[in-house]
Order: sequence, then structure tokens, then C-alpha cells
Amino acid sequence: LAKTTQPISMDSYEGQEVNITCSHNNIATNDYITWYQQFPSQGPRFIIQGYKTKVTNEVASLFIPADRKSSTLSLPRVSLSDTAVYYCLVGGNTGGFKTIFGAGTRLFVKA
Amino acid sequence: EPEVTQTPSHQVTQMGQEVILRCVPISNHLYFYWYRQILGQKVEFLVSFYNNEISEKSEIFDDQFSVERPDGSNFTLKIRSTKLEDSAMYFCASSGASPPERNEQFFGPGTRLTVL
Repeated sequence: LAKTTQPISMDSYEGQEVNITCSHNNIATNDYITWYQQFPSQGPRFIIQGYKTKVTNEVASLFIPADRKSSTLSLPRVSLSDTAVYYCLVGGNTGGFKTIFGAGTRLFVKA
Repeated sequence: EPEVTQTPSHQVTQMGQEVILRCVPISNHLYFYWYRQILGQKVEFLVSFYNNEISEKSEIFDDQFSVERPDGSNFTLKIRSTKLEDSAMYFCASSGASPPERNEQFFGPGTRLTVL
């Protein structure tokens, strides 16, 4: 399984765009990149998933360069409620799918 | 919107006792998972389950742990003889049938296990 590296924490202000970058140098050909969000005392929640280029949904965008060795989660116009831990996961779709969460990035959004 | 449910929300037990944590995954999902998260630490994978058998397990998932899908709807995690270090939040998750959807896991609210 590819190892991921993310910043430990980030600060932002309400209304700003936040970009969290994840490095995954050993990503395999069949690996997808998935981001989860976790609030205190809650289970992780799926945000977005991609394989290459750009993916956008109602919550976030995911930018993946051509070499796929990194990815950037972009949260537009964050609010206080976006304060959470954000996890980048890299994994394939072989049988079983052992899911490894890293330490994640703690995002603090200030008023 | 369908969701994963877990019971109980909080379980307190004495060291050495057996506990069973229960989960009801989303009804048409085929892949099931258990994770644990010790307070202040990261989410740790325990086991994945598909087609009525364990697909993968971590080194944490030793002989004290077992999983079962007894009736086609519930998915349980049993800890045979609890230790103090088993105190954690336990999350159940499920995901759909086809890749890449299998990567989109839906997590339950968790069961907080306290071992005294």
C-alpha cells in the first residue's frame, strides 16, 4: 500500500479557499486517491475520490497531476464547520482492500 | 439517506470480559469493515469482510477478535477477553459492490468501548 504524507495541521479563516496536499510517491497503477473528513467523536466521512486530473463534487475538488505522485484537496470558501481532520488514502481495488489511514491534516477554521 | 448504524453507543466492561459490538451496514453493500480509534490517535484498520469471510486483517486483529455476519443484516465484532488497551472508539463501515465504489466507505457513528 502506498504511503501518504500530509501536513499535520493547517489554519484558515472563514471564506477562504483551503488546499491540502498529499504526497504519495509510491502510488500504484491501479490505486485510487480518496479523501475523508472526520469530526471529533464521529466516524470518517467520504469527501471525494479520483484517479487522475480533476474531480469536483458539491463539497470539494481534487486535483491530481499527471504523475499522480501527489494530490490536492481543495475546499472552497471554508466555514467554521469545516474544522476537522482530513485524511488522504491511496489504495487499489484488489480483493479485501486494507484501508490505511495516516495521521491526517487537522484543519482549524477561524472566524 | 441510508446509513450505517452501530449499537451500543457506549459499552463499559470489566477487563477479561467478552464484548460484542453490533453494526447494521447499508443494506445493498457487500464489503464490511471494522476500525478502531484510540482517543487522540488515528483510525486503525482491523478487518475487512466479504462473501462471509475475512478478506484482510491487521496485526491488531489477533485471536481475541472475531467477526460474524450472523443473519444477513448484522455485522458483529467480538472481543473475547478484553484488555485495558482495547478501550477505544470502534467504527463499522460498509461499501458497495463494484470498484471504485468499494473505496467509498460509509462509517457508522461508532461504539465507545471502555475497559475498566
